[in-house]
Amino acid sequence: AQTVTQSQPEMSVQEAETVTLSCTYDTSESDYYLFWYKQPPSRQMILVIRQEAYKQQNATENRFSVNFQKAAKSFSLKISDSQLGDAAMYFCAYRYLRDDKIIFGKGTRLHILP
Amino acid sequence: DAMVIQNPRYQVTQFGKPVTLSCSQTLNHNVMYWYQQKSSQAPKLLFHYYDKDFNNEADTPDNFQSRRPNTSFCFLDIRSPGLGDAAMYLCATSTGRVIETQYFGPGTRLLVL
Repeated sequence: AQTVTQSQPEMSVQEAETVTLSCTYDTSESDYYLFWYKQPPSRQMILVIRQEAYKQQNATENRFSVNFQKAAKSFSLKISDSQLGDAAMYFCAYRYLRDDKIIFGKGTRLHILP
Repeated sequence: DAMVIQNPRYQVTQFGKPVTLSCSQTLNHNVMYWYQQKSSQAPKLLFHYYDKDFNNEADTPDNFQSRRPNTSFCFLDIRSPGLGDAAMYLCATSTGRVIETQYFGPGTRLLVL
């Protein structure tokens, strides 16, 4: 069975600094997608970034980038120039190519210190 | 411009009194999902519809049922809510294409008295 592990329940970072959130996953499949979702307090969950497993190049979306290490089954999220609005719960998620379902990690709560 | 709408945003019910949560979407997506999310935990998938095909998760209690009368609407029925069912309930949709993300609604927070 596929699993997603986020080993950091909480993290804090100073505003304008860079922070990296860790995620590892376990799967025997080779075709899958990985996602990072952001859930701000009392607000809806939104997609931050996605990565196709067949792509070697790491995905980037403005201040957000990933470090995808397929062999190590690692998918970390780097947030550069952290802003107060980045404070949220971040969920790492996995989706197998032939499945409708997403498997979420337990989340990392990110605090931004002014 | 709301794409996935959940009503109500807050729902209070009594122990054992049936309650229905509503989700609608303007995206015309094939797939609709219901998740249960308890405080500071990951969303837990309860079930999902691919068009009219219902897919129940193995560990979803029988107390939870769902209906999808048409593409736009999906309902979550909790037949006899217990205190442990108090949670945020999230509805999400997707096209069904793997590359596409799921679009989440704002959630309905259920309180059971």
